[in-house]
Amino acid sequence: EIVLTQSPATLSLSPGERATLSCRASQSLNTFLAWYQHKPGQAPRLLIYDASTRASDTPARFSGSGSGTDFTLTISSLEPEDFAVYYCQQRNNWQFTFGPGTTVDIK
Amino acid sequence: QVQLVQSGTEVKKPGSSAKVSCKTSGDTFSSHGISWVRQAPGQGLEWMGGIIPVFGITNHTQRFHGRVTISADKSTTTAYLELTGLRSEDTAVYYCAGVKLLCTGGSCFSVYDYFDSWGQGTLVIVSS
Repeated sequence: EIVLTQSPATLSLSPGERATLSCRASQSLNTFLAWYQHKPGQAPRLLIYDASTRASDTPARFSGSGSGTDFTLTISSLEPEDFAVYYCQQRNNWQFTFGPGTTVDIK
Repeated sequence: QVQLVQSGTEVKKPGSSAKVSCKTSGDTFSSHGISWVRQAPGQGLEWMGGIIPVFGITNHTQRFHGRVTISADKSTTTAYLELTGLRSEDTAVYYCAGVKLLCTGGSCFSVYDYFDSWGQGTLVIVSS
């Protein structure tokens, strides 16, 4: 089973600041990694797939990068609605796994 | 646009079973597989298993082996998650999520690697 680890666990930032979130896989994923945003009381929302492709309604301030085992989600300038939990996710052999999540909260 | 609408909150006794439904829109079953993901209080997202109606394939994580049944009714385009032997640790919000089929030349042979649609979530509370 491929294990995903995310760092940091919590990121405390102010609106307007840049957020950099990391996801590391226990085996190479090529570029088959997705990122989701999850807010309390809502369903998760797909932000990025294939490591760097924004979903249709993802704002341009979100960008993804990386390949192999190391991936990054960057939010260039935090908006108030961006404070949430972010998960990375992969699929391997018909098994999906999520990372433990990074909470981006207001400093 | 795929729409997934889930059944409502359930309150169950320990040892009983819960069955959550996920009604899909239009021809979702011909274009998507459906997975089930849960989030326990204070915890992260956990994939439980899924079904690909077009392929007739189901799978689930070993963690739920023997307790989970994932099924789909093609006539109503509704997917189901049944979890038996409920314990307090199963208290969670359960989401269904759609994963698009990967097709070429009119034949589908796999799925993409990400969930492009989600149900609104169903809270299952297990309490005596």
